[in-house]
Amino acid sequence: NAGVTQTPKFQVLKTGQSMTLQCAQDMNHEYMSWYRQDPGMGLRLIHYSVGAGITDQGEVPNGYNVSRSTTEDFPLRLLSAAPSQTSVYFCASRRAGNSPLHFGNGTRLTVT
Amino acid sequence: GQQLNQSPQSMFIQEGEDVSMNCTSSSIFNTWLWYKQDPGEGPVLLIALYKAGELTSNGRLTAQFGITRKDSFLNISASIPSDVGIYFCAGPYNDYKLSFGAGTTVTVRA
Repeated sequence: NAGVTQTPKFQVLKTGQSMTLQCAQDMNHEYMSWYRQDPGMGLRLIHYSVGAGITDQGEVPNGYNVSRSTTEDFPLRLLSAAPSQTSVYFCASRRAGNSPLHFGNGTRLTVT
Repeated sequence: GQQLNQSPQSMFIQEGEDVSMNCTSSSIFNTWLWYKQDPGEGPVLLIALYKAGELTSNGRLTAQFGITRKDSFLNISASIPSDVGIYFCAGPYNDYKLSFGAGTTVTVRA
């Protein structure tokens, strides 16, 4: 089983460049989310989606856009990368209701 | 999100030791979760707690949901080398948003 798949694993961007981090899950989960992980700060929620066509903001949404056109995919877009967005990004999904989050293996992004 | 304070920030373990870590919040949670992250991977759920006072085990791991609902504890008994990693506590502050602590990094003592 693939679970939650994130691509790419590593990415280096220059300030001002744009890119999309991909996330796909094959578990038919309704809920999907993006977190960023920074040293000493744990994981912070960027955006989440409770189903296709529905997205909402988390704790730290500025500088990021998301869309959810299918149940399986939840891409995260950086329109104009900034050094402050250097981080490790995790996508996670779960079934509706009180069920555990399944995480991907992360994308390590460096913005120079 | 709600602030979760995890301690210690890091710890060194020796094989065979019992270790403990905890998580506190200024707000009440109805669920406490403990995750572990191995290097280069995403966090994986270890234990979920749903009731104040609950004590739940998963192998050598035991977690407790504090009776005030503002804290939780995780114990690892008889540590082994593969216990190294980052342990996170987490709690949902609404139906869709999960707050995470900053993590406790566990390393093997040389």
